[in-house]
Amino acid sequence: EDQVTQSPEALRLQEGESSSLNCSYTVSGLRGLFWYRQDPGKGPEFLFTLYSAGEEKEKERLKATLTKKESFLHITAPKPEDSATYLCAVGIAGNNRKLIWGLGTSLAVNP
Amino acid sequence: KAGVTQTPRYLIKTRGQQVTLSCSPISGHRSVSWYQQTPGQGLQFLFEYFSETQRNKGNFPGRFSGRQFSNSRSEMNVSTLELGDSALYLCASSLSPGDGAEAFFGQGTRLTVV
Repeated sequence: EDQVTQSPEALRLQEGESSSLNCSYTVSGLRGLFWYRQDPGKGPEFLFTLYSAGEEKEKERLKATLTKKESFLHITAPKPEDSATYLCAVGIAGNNRKLIWGLGTSLAVNP
Repeated sequence: KAGVTQTPRYLIKTRGQQVTLSCSPISGHRSVSWYQQTPGQGLQFLFEYFSETQRNKGNFPGRFSGRQFSNSRSEMNVSTLELGDSALYLCASSLSPGDGAEAFFGQGTRLTVV
């Protein structure tokens, strides 16, 4: 069964304290892995797409990496404005193309 | 440019009633996807429309339906509402279908069934 698991469920960091969020997946065929950020009361906001193992993408304090079984979202020297829920989604290859979403990691960065 | 617009933002309905939610995608985007989001289940895919045709459908009962108009605006309908239908309903638009890459989400419609 296709499955996406994110860990930890919640993470509290001090401003400047770097850390990583994990997205592990078991799918029949990977078409792409997507990271989104969601603020309370808003829809998800697209961050990155990764297509193959070894690929990396960066945006400001965020860096996403991909292996054959998981993806990491590294947050370097986070600021309070990075507080949000980070969602991972995996695109399934084949005729019934769809996205499988993880439940997200709720990140709080304290000043 | 204007983002994805969902209306209404909040809705309270009674069990057994039906509801229609609306989504206006970003201008030029022809693909619209609908999701249900709840704290315990996360984002669950409902269906996707492209050029007025349903391309893909999630595992939801037939009470959930949708359509897309020639101007790419989309509506979803839920009939015979149940308490478990209470959720945030999100619409996402993109240029091309099926990928999720650079999909733009609306702020959602918060549906409460009492």
